[in-house]
Amino acid sequence: EIVLTQSPGTLSLSPGERATLSCRASQSVSSSYLAWYQQKPGQALRLLIYGASSRATGIPDRFSGSGSGTDFTLTISRLEPEDFAVYYCQHYGSSPRTFGQGTKVEIK
Amino acid sequence: EVQLVESGGGLVQPGGSLRLSCAASGFTFSSYWMSWVRQAPGRGLEWVANIKQDGSEKYYVDSVKGRFTVSRDNAKNSLYLQMNSLRAEDTAVYYCARDGTYSYPYWGQGTLVTVSS
Repeated sequence: EIVLTQSPGTLSLSPGERATLSCRASQSVSSSYLAWYQQKPGQALRLLIYGASSRATGIPDRFSGSGSGTDFTLTISRLEPEDFAVYYCQHYGSSPRTFGQGTKVEIK
Repeated sequence: EVQLVESGGGLVQPGGSLRLSCAASGFTFSSYWMSWVRQAPGRGLEWVANIKQDGSEKYYVDSVKGRFTVSRDNAKNSLYLQMNSLRAEDTAVYYCARDGTYSYPYWGQGTLVTVSS
């Protein structure tokens, strides 16, 4: 089983600032199978990034993903008020399809 | 528009059973793998199970093997999760998700299962 560790647990930032979220895998992951999701209270989970760096349909270009092997990053270039949420990375390859424990981006 | 609507959650005693349903619309249901993912209160996401388009392949997380059964009815565009021998640690919001090539592009809003006496 691939364990994904996200850091930091909480990121306190102001609107307009840059957010950098990390996801580290316990073993090498194919970039094709690394995804990022956003979760807000009362809303369905939203796919942001798939294949480590490809933005999903309708996702603004302030969201970008990068990385390979065991280290992956989600970057939000300039935080908008609607970006304050919890973010999860996921390994989508072979079962079990594990998730990281999440990073909460909160307003400072 | 793709829609996934879960139902069937509720309060159940330890050792009890519950059947969750997920009604799908807006896409050709029979063409996609489907999954169940859960989230315990205040916790992260945990993949639970998935099922192939024709139901011929099913996979489960170790913690539910032998207790949960995933199934589907393509004629009814519906996904199911039969949960038996429920434990307190199964308490969670259960989401259904449509599998994509490299991710889960679509999710339902979830249904809450509470296992408590």
